Amino acid sequence: DAGVIQSPRHEVTEMGQEVTLRCKPISGHNSLFWYRQTMMRGLELLIYFNNNVPIDDSGMPEDRFSAKMPNASFSTLKIQPSEPRDSAVYFCASSWRENTEAFFGQGTRLTVV
Amino acid sequence: SQKIEQNSEALNIQEGKTATLTCNYTNYSPAYLQWYRQDPGRGPVFLLLIRENEKEKRKERLKVTFDTTLKQSLFHITASQPADSATYLCALDAAGGTSYGKLTFGQGTILTVHP
Repeated sequence: DAGVIQSPRHEVTEMGQEVTLRCKPISGHNSLFWYRQTMMRGLELLIYFNNNVPIDDSGMPEDRFSAKMPNASFSTLKIQPSEPRDSAVYFCASSWRENTEAFFGQGTRLTVV
Repeated sequence: SQKIEQNSEALNIQEGKTATLTCNYTNYSPAYLQWYRQDPGRGPVFLLLIRENEKEKRKERLKVTFDTTLKQSLFHITASQPADSATYLCALDAAGGTSYGKLTFGQGTILTVHP
C-alpha cells in the first residue's frame, strides 16, 4: 500500500478563496482524522470519521471549515473563505481500529496570503 | 482541563548517550499512550504504543515506560545516533472507552544528537 496520500503537497492561495484539501486513506482503515499543525499550537485534531461517518468535529475552528468523506477511500477538507491565520500544515491520518497506531500522510502546507 | 506536556522543548545530547524524553498528562485516563517521530517536512511516524496495564515496552534501541499513578511516560533512546535527531511526539487517546483511535498530541520535543 502507498500509505495515506494527500494532495496537494503545497497550496498558496489568496485570502477569501476556497481551498480544498484531499486525502486517500490506507485501504481497509475505517477511521480517518484531519489534523492541523502550527508552531504555536502543535498538532490539533480538527475532525475524525469512523466508517465514513463524522464522529467528532469539535476541533473544527469555525464554520468556514467543512469536511466530507463520501466513501471509504476519499475525504476532503474545505476552507471557504480562507484567511491568513489558516496557514498551517494539514495532515490526514487513518487507522484500522482504535488502540492501534495512526498512519499519517505527508501533509499539505497551506499558505494564505 | 486536559493537558499533555512534553517537558523539554529541545534536548541536545552526544552520540552514544541515552536520550530520555518526558510526557506528563493531567485530567486524562488514557487506555494507551503512543510515541511518534516527526522529521522536518514529513508527517509523524508511529514508534511505540503502551497500554495502561503495561509498565514498559521495548523495540530495538527504544524503550517506553508508562506510570498511570504519576501520569507520566518516559521515552528512552539508547546508544543514540545523529540519525535519531527529530521531533518526538507523545499522544494519548482522548477519552476512555470508544474513541475510534482519536489521539491528542503533546507539543513535541526536538532531539538533536551531536556526533
